Amino acid sequence: DTGVSQDPRHKITKRGQNVTFRCDPISEHNRLYWYRQTLGQGPEFLTYFQNEAQLEKSRLLSDRFSAERPKGSFSTLEIQRTEQGDSAMYLCASSLAPTGGQQFFGPGTRLTVL
Amino acid sequence: AQSVTQLGSHVSVSEGALVLLRCNYSSSVPPYLFWYVQYPNQGLQLLLKYTTGATLVKGINGFEAEFKKSETSFHLTKPSAHMSDAAEYFCAVSDRGNQGGKLIFGQGTELSVKP
Repeated sequence: DTGVSQDPRHKITKRGQNVTFRCDPISEHNRLYWYRQTLGQGPEFLTYFQNEAQLEKSRLLSDRFSAERPKGSFSTLEIQRTEQGDSAMYLCASSLAPTGGQQFFGPGTRLTVL
Repeated sequence: AQSVTQLGSHVSVSEGALVLLRCNYSSSVPPYLFWYVQYPNQGLQLLLKYTTGATLVKGINGFEAEFKKSETSFHLTKPSAHMSDAAEYFCAVSDRGNQGGKLIFGQGTELSVKP
C-alpha cells in the first residue's frame, strides 16, 4: 500500500512564472486536501475535494491559485504569476470519509520563488 | 470558527524526563482532535487522535493525550523522552459535523531532547 505522493519535491521559479504541483492520494481515499506551510508555522488549509467535487476553498486563497481533481484520483494545484510570498511548503493529504477524519500526508512540495 | 493554541513554540527536556506539550482549542462543539509529528524534511505523521469514547488516547511511540472538555484541552504527554522524539509537534482539530473535513492546526511546538 503506497502512501500519498507529491511531485515535484522541490521547485524553484522566478517571480511571475506559473507552477503546477501534482498529488497522488492513497488509492481508495475519496477526500484530498491541499495545505500550505511556511517556516515556523502550522499548515494552513487551502482547499479540499471529495471525489472530483471541490467542496471548500479557503478565503485566504487568491484567484491566482486553482486546484483540480478531474477524475477523482490525482489532483493538481496551479499557481499563476507567482510572487515571493508564495514561497512555502505545499502539502497534500488524503482521507476516507466517513471514518473520523484522519488525514494521511504526503512529503510536500517546497516552492521557492526568486 | 475553530482555532487551536499551542502553548510554547519550543520545549526542551532532558532524555528520560516527562514530555508535556500543551494544546487548547476553541470550537462551538467538541471537534475531532489530533496530534501530528513532523521530522525534518519529512511529511506529517499522525501520533494519535480523539473522535469518541475514552478520553485518554494512546498513540504511537509511547505518546498519549487526554481530551478534557471542561478545559477545552488536548495535551500530549510521554513519560520518558528519547532523543528520537526531537521534532515539531502539531495539534489540530476538524469539524465533527463534517465527518472530519479540513484540519485547523496550531502553530506547532518544537521539542528538543538533551542528552
